[in-house]
Amino acid sequence: QKEVEQNSGPLSVPEGAIASLNCTYSDRGSQSFFWYRQYSGKSPELIMSIYSNGDKEDGRFTAQLNKASQYVSLLIRDSQPSDSATYLCAVNPPGGGNKLTFGTGTQLKVEL
Amino acid sequence: DGGITQSPKYLFRKEGQNVTLSCEQNLNHDAMYWYRQDPGQGLRLIYYSQIVNDFQKGDIAEGYSVSREKKESFPLTVTSAQKNPTAFYLCASSTDRETQPQHFGDGTRLSIL
Repeated sequence: QKEVEQNSGPLSVPEGAIASLNCTYSDRGSQSFFWYRQYSGKSPELIMSIYSNGDKEDGRFTAQLNKASQYVSLLIRDSQPSDSATYLCAVNPPGGGNKLTFGTGTQLKVEL
Repeated sequence: DGGITQSPKYLFRKEGQNVTLSCEQNLNHDAMYWYRQDPGQGLRLIYYSQIVNDFQKGDIAEGYSVSREKKESFPLTVTSAQKNPTAFYLCASSTDRETQPQHFGDGTRLSIL
């Protein structure tokens, strides 16, 4: 079983819609969760961090964490073509110091 | 501006040659990391360092070597023992607190001539 799993996509949504990206993780004691956006040929860029159960909103982005079910999600409201990218979920597993385990990413395509 | 600088942006390696990728940060971060990314795949950890003069192997360290003589610098050498070096190499840094995210440089794309 992969430690951090994401659907590779592509996930296609129309412009203006809500994009929902999901991630599950295997280490129950994980405490820190991050979403990175990676445009094709570029390096990952941090867009959200979440540490507690519930929702965390930042502009058009909302991260949701459910530790009991071991999933973290990212919602993008009013999706724009510029949101088209691969979104990487990263988890800080217990006992891992400050290492992160990354999922393979979900490709999002926002269509006009 | 604070950040992480990787150089060169593109690098070509000949058979039997060692090449070194540079990573410098001015964020005053204690921890630094090297990842490899292959097309359509996630990031795989090569080496990491949490303090000067100390580093640990990641998941795919074979064929690579690193040094950490200064807090700001964490160069990666891709040796001739790495038979499939073509990939996108990413350097990252973070504070030493577990709750803090990693921040990435712009990457180096390595290809075989």
